[in-house]
Amino acid sequence: NAGVMQNPRHLVRRRGQEARLRCSPMKGHSHVYWYRQLPEEGLKFMVYLQKENIIDESGMPKERFSAEFPKEGPSILRIQQVVRGDSAAYFCASTQDRTGELFFGEGSRLTVL
Amino acid sequence: KQEVTQIPAALSVPEGENLVLNCSFTDSAIYNLQWFRQDPGKGLTSLLLIQSSQREQTSGRLNASLDKSSGRSTLYIAASQPGDSATYLCAVRAGSYQLTFGKGTKLSVIP
Repeated sequence: NAGVMQNPRHLVRRRGQEARLRCSPMKGHSHVYWYRQLPEEGLKFMVYLQKENIIDESGMPKERFSAEFPKEGPSILRIQQVVRGDSAAYFCASTQDRTGELFFGEGSRLTVL
Repeated sequence: KQEVTQIPAALSVPEGENLVLNCSFTDSAIYNLQWFRQDPGKGLTSLLLIQSSQREQTSGRLNASLDKSSGRSTLYIAASQPGDSATYLCAVRAGSYQLTFGKGTKLSVIP
């Protein structure tokens, strides 16, 4: 049973470009979370999604950031017009249900030049 | 708003020693608490999940306890090994179903 798969593992973008981060949850998991980790800081919640629904996006910046989890295919975290402050590790996690054990991917490390 | 605190921020112990990592949280109305380990540049590995109705969970040399009423959890590591060196993260799940994380304890086990 493959774990949570994230790609790309590393992404370099120039200011103003778009970044798309993909996450395939574990088999049988329909709940996906996205977290951001800045150097020397803790993990910060961004968004919680179920298939085709955004359940909680209270941690997402209001502008430039969006997330989706379509019926088919991976969950996508999209960052438009990236700025240097967006440089961070973005982690995806999945679970079977709302209170189940959470499993994390290896993360996508975004560097904005 | 749930806040999670982990003490100490860093810990260095000689190999073979038993150790305890501490986690406290402000809102006791939680569904569960999960301990993770994170190696540098890597993702998080789930170690133990304790439901709010449970007092402790064990996996190998690891034992995690939960005292919901006082807002505390401990992770006990027996007979520490250099391979245990990592950052250990505590996270609680409450009403909004998101996990709220502490900043972690960075553990170094010296051979």
